[in-house]
Amino acid sequence: NAGVTQTPKFQVLKTGQSMTLQCAQDMNHNSMYWYRQDPGMGLRLIYYSASEGTTDKGEVPNGYNVSRLNKREFSLRLESAAPSQTSVYFCASRREGIREQYFGPGTRLTVT
Amino acid sequence: RKEVEQDPGPFNVPEGATVAFNCTYSNSASQSFFWYRQDCRKEPKLLMSVYSSGNEDGRFTAQLNRASQYISLLIRDSKLSDSATYLCVEDNAGKSTFGDGTTLTVKP
Repeated sequence: NAGVTQTPKFQVLKTGQSMTLQCAQDMNHNSMYWYRQDPGMGLRLIYYSASEGTTDKGEVPNGYNVSRLNKREFSLRLESAAPSQTSVYFCASRREGIREQYFGPGTRLTVT
Repeated sequence: RKEVEQDPGPFNVPEGATVAFNCTYSNSASQSFFWYRQDCRKEPKLLMSVYSSGNEDGRFTAQLNRASQYISLLIRDSKLSDSATYLCVEDNAGKSTFGDGTTLTVKP
């Protein structure tokens, strides 16, 4: 039981490049989330998915797109990376009715 | 005004001290509250849920005051291993809002 896994762990992009961050959970959770965390700050919600086939915007969705590929996987795409998107990205999941979120180890992204 | 506000600290305390963190929230409709712990460069992990009646887990006590819209975390008999950032979280209809965190350093 791996919990929540994220790939890659580290990534450096040039401005304008695109990439997809992958997230998978093996806990059969319905809800999945993408957050970003900038230095010295808390987590800010980018997008979330309450169930397979649905996605909704969070607090800071601009510049990102998501896909809930199936119940296990929730990917985050940066179409044209900008230096302001340099951050640590965390994926999380939660079972319906249970409030605790389980987080992946994070992806550290630098955009130059 | 931020939805969830915490004193960022840092709090530097000696081993064995008692330390308290407060957090205020602005959305009176928020349903659930939590404290998460985050170690340096690691993912957040749930420390405890917060109930109106207050709840205790070993050396940790959490309280919720809905009338004043704040929650608190009390750590008794601090250990070196308690050094971390503590994140206050409110949850409303499945969406969570995190505070910026309070950093605690426990020194020998």
